[in-house]
Amino acid sequence: DAGVIQSPRHEVTEMGQEVTLRCKPISGHNSLFWYRQTMMRGLELLIYFNNNVPIDDSGMPEDRFSAKMPNASFSTLKIQPSEPRDSAVYFCASTLGLPNNSPLHFGNGTRLTVT
Amino acid sequence: GQQVMQIPQYQHVQEGEDFTTYCNSSTTLSNIQWYKQRPGGHPVFLIQLVKSGEVKKQKRLTFQFGEAKKNSSLHITATQTTDVGTYFCAGGANSKLTFGKGITLSVRP
Repeated sequence: DAGVIQSPRHEVTEMGQEVTLRCKPISGHNSLFWYRQTMMRGLELLIYFNNNVPIDDSGMPEDRFSAKMPNASFSTLKIQPSEPRDSAVYFCASTLGLPNNSPLHFGNGTRLTVT
Repeated sequence: GQQVMQIPQYQHVQEGEDFTTYCNSSTTLSNIQWYKQRPGGHPVFLIQLVKSGEVKKQKRLTFQFGEAKKNSSLHITATQTTDVGTYFCAGGANSKLTFGKGITLSVRP
C-alpha cells in the first residue's frame, strides 16, 4: 500500500501565479478530502468528494480555489490567482466509506509558499 | 455548525509525567477519532470510539468517549519524548468529520 500520494511536496510561487496541487488516493478508497492547515486556523476542510463527485465544497475559500476529481485515482486543487494568504500546508486524505466513521489516511502534504 | 474544541493548544510536560487532554463537541457525536501529527509530518489515525462510555487502550495511551457522546479524553501514562506532536480529535456526525485545533505536546527529557 503506497498510501496517499501528493505532489509537489513544496511549492514556492509568486503572487498572481496559478498553483496546481495533485493527489492520488489509496486504491479502492471512494472518498477524498482536501484540507488546509495553518497555525492560526488549524485543519480546515476545503472540499470532499465521494465516488468522484463533490459533496461538500463549503470550505473552499473563494472563487480562486477549484478542485476536480476526473477519476477515482486522481484529484487536483487549483488556486488561480494565488495570494500570500494562501500560504499553508495542503493535505489530501482518502477513506473507504463515510467520512464520519472511517479513518482518514493523509498524504504527506504540499507546503505552499506564495510570495 | 458543529464545533469541536480542544483547549489548551499547547502543553509542556516533564518526561515520565502523565498527560491528559480533552475534546468537547457542541453537538452529540456518532463517533470520535483521534489523530497524531509529528512535527513536519501529516496526521496519522490513532483510534476511533463509537459507543457511549467506551474506553480503548493502546500501550500507554488511553482513550475514552463520554457517556453523552459529546466529549472525549486522551490520557498518556509516563510520557516519553516519542510522544511529542500534535494530537487532534475529530468528531463525526451527519456524515461529516470535524477536527479540533489540536493540542501540541512537548516533552522535556
